Amino acid sequence: GAGVSQTPSNKVTEKGKYVELRCDPISGHTALYWYRQSLGQGPEFLIYFQGTGAADDSGLPNDRFFAVRPEGSVSTLKIQRTERGDSAVYLCASSLAGTGNTGELFFGEGSRLTVL
Amino acid sequence: AQKVTQAQTEISVVEKEDVTLDCVYETRDTTYYLFWYKQPPSGELVFLIRRNSFDEQNEISGRYSWNFQKSTSSFNFTITASQVVDSAVYFCALRRRNQGGKLIFGQGTELSVKP
Repeated sequence: GAGVSQTPSNKVTEKGKYVELRCDPISGHTALYWYRQSLGQGPEFLIYFQGTGAADDSGLPNDRFFAVRPEGSVSTLKIQRTERGDSAVYLCASSLAGTGNTGELFFGEGSRLTVL
Repeated sequence: AQKVTQAQTEISVVEKEDVTLDCVYETRDTTYYLFWYKQPPSGELVFLIRRNSFDEQNEISGRYSWNFQKSTSSFNFTITASQVVDSAVYFCALRRRNQGGKLIFGQGTELSVKP
């Protein structure tokens, strides 16, 4: 695809439920990032993958959040026992290896999660 | 601690006016990188510029210009002759050395350009 694709674009769930958000990066991009953006705030870093491994997961808020990238392409962000405070837009970005260091990330349009 | 502050939450201008978006950052690092991103209503962030801490030259790209001043820890963004299509939320961000795509964003400034 031409850009970073995220699905679903919108997800409404109930408190306590499990949620998966998917990110399909730009073809050939080996680095993948997840950010979370609350209303009226800037994006906050969650996790960064280089290939299949998580190079930096220091931004994950707690152990209810987990992300995988088993084949080094598509990534899934998983949230267990969702809470109302998890409501936000979850942004995925990708970059070519090394160019992530320039900060030129290519972002998707995000998945808006609403926890009722 | 690393921090980025964008004190202007919202700015509204009339088309063709010039507008400056302020960004102040905090870091104790000597090597760091500063960025501006644009977030249109569709939601995806679009990279505009990167500047490293050793390069204080101002940059101009068409109607956009950036003023980096280490003495005041500021990296301000000016749009000349604004257009309706410039309406978006603009984010300033900071990255520490060797931290890949881990950006620290400010809260953003929502720019509204009215015809």
